[in-house]
Amino acid sequence: GAGVSQSPSNKVTEKGKDVELRCDPISGHTALYWYRQRLGQGLEFLIYFQGNSAPDKSGLPSDRFSAERTGESVSTLTIQRTQQEDSAVYLCASSLVGGQGNQPQHFGDGTRLSIL
Amino acid sequence: RKEVEQDPGPFNVPEGATVAFNCTYSNSASQSFFWYRQDCRKEPKLLMSVYSSGNEDGRFTAQLNRASQYISLLIRDSKLSDSATYLCVVPGNYGGSQGNLIFGKGTKLSVKP
Repeated sequence: GAGVSQSPSNKVTEKGKDVELRCDPISGHTALYWYRQRLGQGLEFLIYFQGNSAPDKSGLPSDRFSAERTGESVSTLTIQRTQQEDSAVYLCASSLVGGQGNQPQHFGDGTRLSIL
Repeated sequence: RKEVEQDPGPFNVPEGATVAFNCTYSNSASQSFFWYRQDCRKEPKLLMSVYSSGNEDGRFTAQLNRASQYISLLIRDSKLSDSATYLCVVPGNYGGSQGNLIFGKGTKLSVKP
């Protein structure tokens, strides 16, 4: 079946612009995660959605970052007034059930964001 | 102790060598663990799941030591294609700040001919 799908695969934008990144999880996966990975660095957790529960937003680095998810489907990550430090690969992952540590996460190819 | 900690490497080994990576974790209640592989400029991909004392898949063996709170990954007869960064993944706290899994920063492996 189809894996996690992210779009766009690459995004180049000017500092100060808003960007919106999209993630389509694997069908049936109730948990969805967003991570950021800067060049040569590890994964940085941003936000976690589990079913209809309130999302865990504790990883969002500033109020310029927000994310939404409609039910158990598509999620969008929005970055407002982008800064050069936002340049990174943004990875989305989904899993069958979150919050119990028993299910591996499956990743999309990521969106490579470059802020000029 | 950090939630998950790995030796960043790099580990530079010749083809055919056996190499082992260790990963320590802090949450003694953790039940399931994973090793992911991440190639340069690619997304992480699941390599192995570890739910009990260990797991073996071909040339790859993962072992779990609950008493000492570490997991290891052993790669036998290493191939050039094994060159990648290996991420140790442990459960976070329920409802904790990092969702249900915490990713280590990875150990870089480079297999040379």
